[in-house]
Parts: sequence; C-alpha cells; structure tokens
Amino acid sequence: GENVGLHLPTLSVQEGDNSIINCAYSNSASDYFIWYKQESGKGPQFIIDIRSNMDKRQGQRVTVLLNKTVKHLSLQIAATQPGDSAVYFCAENGPRYTGTASKLTFGTGTRLQVTL
Amino acid sequence: DAGVIQSPRHEVTEMGQEVTLRCKPISGHNSLFWYRQTMMRGLELLIYFNNNVPIDDSGMPEDRFSAKMPNASFSTLKIQPSEPRDSAVYFCASSLARGNRDTQYFGPGTRLTVL
Repeated sequence: GENVGLHLPTLSVQEGDNSIINCAYSNSASDYFIWYKQESGKGPQFIIDIRSNMDKRQGQRVTVLLNKTVKHLSLQIAATQPGDSAVYFCAENGPRYTGTASKLTFGTGTRLQVTL
Repeated sequence: DAGVIQSPRHEVTEMGQEVTLRCKPISGHNSLFWYRQTMMRGLELLIYFNNNVPIDDSGMPEDRFSAKMPNASFSTLKIQPSEPRDSAVYFCASSLARGNRDTQYFGPGTRLTVL
C-alpha cells in the first residue's frame, strides 16, 4: 500500500528483540485509541485498542500504553518476528454524536523493519 | 466473516474517464468510511456514513468526487472526471458504532492509476 510518507520514521530491530513504537496524539478529548498494522499491498489491520479510562492493555505479544498527561501512546511488541515488519499507525477517535461512529484521526505511521 | 470487500482491486484509467469504486461492509456494521492513501498525504478520510446516511463529507476533495450508500451492504465512490492527481489507494472501512469503541475494519483497497 501507499504507506511511505516523505518523513516516515523507521525503527529497525533484530528478530527476537522487543519493539517500542511511539505516537503523540493531539486531542485531549479523545477517549479511544487504536493501533493498526499495514503490510505492503494490504489495508490497515486492527491490532489492539485502549479506552481512555485505562493506561495499559495487553494482547498476544503486544501491549499498548496510554499516558493521557502527555498525550502519548506506545505499542510494545515482544519477541519481534519478521512477520511484524510493516507500517504501524496509531489512531484516536474524534467527536461522537449520538448513535453514530466517530471519525478516527491517524498518525503518519512508523515503519518497523525486523532484521535477522 | 468475509471482512470488508472492495472492487476492483486495481483500476487503470485515462484522464477524464469516470471511475467507480465499490465496497461491501462487514455484515451488521452500521458505519462505513472511505479513505484515500498517498505517499504525500498519508491516510485521509474522505467521507463516512452511519446507517446509510452521510455524516461528514468534509474530506471529499471536490465536486468530482461523490459517494453513495443505497443500502446497508453496498457503497460506491465515484470520480468523474478523473485526473492523474487522483491516483492513490482507496480504502473502505466499516464499524459497528457502540458506546465509545469505534474500531474500524479496513478492506484490501483499490489501487487507482489515472494516466
């Protein structure tokens, strides 16, 4: 997919190491955050989400941390594997009206490269 | 679950031609989103629907773009006339609006090339 911006940050990690991808969000009123993974030629794929009433949530090999004080979100991937190579996007929700879904605002993305 | 289905997967057309992109959301989802992704601008929201009604079309670039959702299982994004700068990957996503959890699930995208 077209997921490389002019200034897309890249994180290179060795296979087996842990990865930490960071994201700063903009809206202090956002109450829901998502991490997506986008592999080349595919659409963004949901990884994990977190509500603003939590500061940590764990999934399988992934952990999301939320620091509302500094509006910071991070994704930790344990024991990184070659299949984890992709672009990772954070997203925050927007204003919500009764009965409707809210928009998501996406970050620019971080490319994760896993070296053998 | 088949996930979000988009067609065609690839479209190559000439400037000035009409282009229609199609999307079938996940069954039971009540919100549908159209995005465009380019190297320069990243992922941009064009328009989204809730219960087949357009909620926010502020991201639609100009009058050449239009989107419809005639029923809960089908949406189209039309570009007429197309221009080379419309070349991008267009994604459709759907979600089930419930509480404050608005997870969107994306389709595989349509790669559009306008010559």
